[in-house]
Amino acid sequence: DTEVTQTPKHLVMGMTNKKSLKCEQHMGHRAMYWYKQKAKKPPELMFVYSYEKLSINESVPSRFSPECPNSSLLNLHLHALQPEDSALYLCASSQLDLGLATGELFFGEGSRLTVL
Amino acid sequence: SQQGEEDPQALSIQEGENATMNCSYKTSINNLQWYRQNSGRGLVHLILIRSNEREKHSGRLRVTLDTSKKSSSLLITASRAADTASYFCATGGAQKLVFGQGTRLTINP
Repeated sequence: DTEVTQTPKHLVMGMTNKKSLKCEQHMGHRAMYWYKQKAKKPPELMFVYSYEKLSINESVPSRFSPECPNSSLLNLHLHALQPEDSALYLCASSQLDLGLATGELFFGEGSRLTVL
Repeated sequence: SQQGEEDPQALSIQEGENATMNCSYKTSINNLQWYRQNSGRGLVHLILIRSNEREKHSGRLRVTLDTSKKSSSLLITASRAADTASYFCATGGAQKLVFGQGTRLTINP
């Protein structure tokens, strides 16, 4: 199984809503990532989890709250978002060898978020 | 920043032709990767080339790396309509992979 599964595929929310994006992988990868991608732009790194611990936070606003409940699951909790947060949110995973990513990232299909 | 810069930003060619896209980066690297993204979808890893490699092949893909010029190129031979996508180079250490701006490739039938 070489899939990273993201749900929901599409999400529309108001600025006062609380919602969550979910990501799951069963490849035994111990690094998981959240990226944000605006239209016609490259993906931008948001968070990295290594061995279920947050290892990188790219100065992301606190209205985005990541969570890694176990080695297969990654969530992104959303609260009080702004319209400019509308984007494609991509989850990815990779192997770790001695704590370092070995290279290839496996991406999910993304969750398309629209904030009204 | 190690972010790659790619050119051209957009490329449109006829099916069957070869497509070449280039990536330049700013600092020393351990490896460089190329990814493909179909419109609105997730990214798919194509190839990884290490800093001590100069050329690598995978099917119709050929990647070169020139560390002295801090540049890489991706060649797709005998292009097909299904190759229409955005292509990104990516560099970075450990878990902090950073993507270039990408090249939007369109293959015309």
